[in-house]
Amino acid sequence: QQQVKQSPQSLIVQKGGISIINCAYENTAFDYFPWYQQFPGKGPALLIAIRPDVSEKKEGRFTISFNKSAKQFSLHIMDSQPGDSATYFCAASKGAGNMLTFGGGTRLMVKP
Amino acid sequence: DVKVTQSSRYLVKRTGEKVFLECVQDMDHENMFWYRQDPGLGLRLIYFSYDVKMKEKGDIPEGYSVSREKKERFSLILESASTNQTSMYLCASSYSGNTEAFFGQGTRLTVV
Repeated sequence: QQQVKQSPQSLIVQKGGISIINCAYENTAFDYFPWYQQFPGKGPALLIAIRPDVSEKKEGRFTISFNKSAKQFSLHIMDSQPGDSATYFCAASKGAGNMLTFGGGTRLMVKP
Repeated sequence: DVKVTQSSRYLVKRTGEKVFLECVQDMDHENMFWYRQDPGLGLRLIYFSYDVKMKEKGDIPEGYSVSREKKERFSLILESASTNQTSMYLCASSYSGNTEAFFGQGTRLTVV
């Protein structure tokens, strides 16, 4: 049973467009929601993270929108660039242990 | 820069062999993790350690064990490798609490 569901599995966007990846979670005890970016041959790296006391967080071209009542959160990549082509994972965790539960991943391709 | 180093990038082992995957971090992190990455399933937690000699099972611990004798080193052991353990294995470390997890580059294990 996957506690964090991510969609779509793959996404193709034109350069300059907006990429949107959605995640839904089930466990209301989750209190930390990071997004990780993974390039081929590399391990995932933290991109941006949010806690449930805010509804939105923006860092440069990357924005997380968080809807606590719907138990959903999403990543928006504005002005998408070919260098953004990677696999993106949403995740969630609770408590001090920092054990992350990951979504299934989205493979993003940004076409020049 | 934080470094999480996994001992091998690629491994090929035979069914029934005992396999050791090693991970070392250089940031004095309390937490260390082993994840397994499979297409469409994201990353799934195998084991977690929050201190030397301390461990907790993750979502898919069956067929695996771990060892943490020193704070900087966390080993994943496949007691008797099977073909369904063919996968990408990722080690990560973090400070205690909901903070950034740093990942190694991964070990692609093939069991034949």
